[in-house]
Amino acid sequence: EVQLVESGGGLVQPGGSLRVSCAVSIFTFRTYEMNWVRQAPGKGLEWVSYISPSGSTIYYADSVKGRFTISRDNAKNSLYLQMNSLRDDDTAVYYCARGDDGDGSVSYYYDYWGQGTLVTVSS
Amino acid sequence: SSELTQDPAVSVALGQTVRITCQGESLRRYFASWYLQKPGQAPVLVIYAKDNRPSGIPDRFSGSSSGNTASLTITGAQAEDEGVYYCNSRDNSGNHQVVFGGGTKLTVV
Repeated sequence: EVQLVESGGGLVQPGGSLRVSCAVSIFTFRTYEMNWVRQAPGKGLEWVSYISPSGSTIYYADSVKGRFTISRDNAKNSLYLQMNSLRDDDTAVYYCARGDDGDGSVSYYYDYWGQGTLVTVSS
Repeated sequence: SSELTQDPAVSVALGQTVRITCQGESLRRYFASWYLQKPGQAPVLVIYAKDNRPSGIPDRFSGSSSGNTASLTITGAQAEDEGVYYCNSRDNSGNHQVVFGGGTKLTVV
């Protein structure tokens, strides 16, 4: 069974930093695109960041660009999100999710998700 | 960036058919995928790339698309189909931007 397990969430003050991690088992992690998707309390889903299998290509949502850094360690089957200059509106459950575009570039979907880790930004 | 619009809530009688829609300009170019999220749980992919069902998803779930609208149809809705359904697609702005709809809460009565 494919498993993605996030960790590292918690309470942090505005302006602070936090790193969340995602440990992946079973599938060949190094060959898959990975993403972070977040969900603020009572709100919808928001894509946050993408990283290619090798880590050479990275994208961010405008809302986190310049503050968040995605990375991966293929030897450890792990995905990371370093979050700096955190703001109140970064409060959310952060999910790691495996991404795929099927057989082309006309779609993008997330076929495996972790259970999420809650990041709360508050003074 | 593009937006995807969903009705906030829809209800369906047990065993009946329901269609959940998702509208946005990005859907004229890109296929939608659909997810079901139950309270306290992570989303689960139910339809990908317009009309494909992942392994383990019942065949009562189907997807379609026309113009700027994607649809998820549940034929013979069951109690376990209750939850919030989200659509997503690539964003027209490029650079791998991805957009989600606001979600539709489905109630099976």
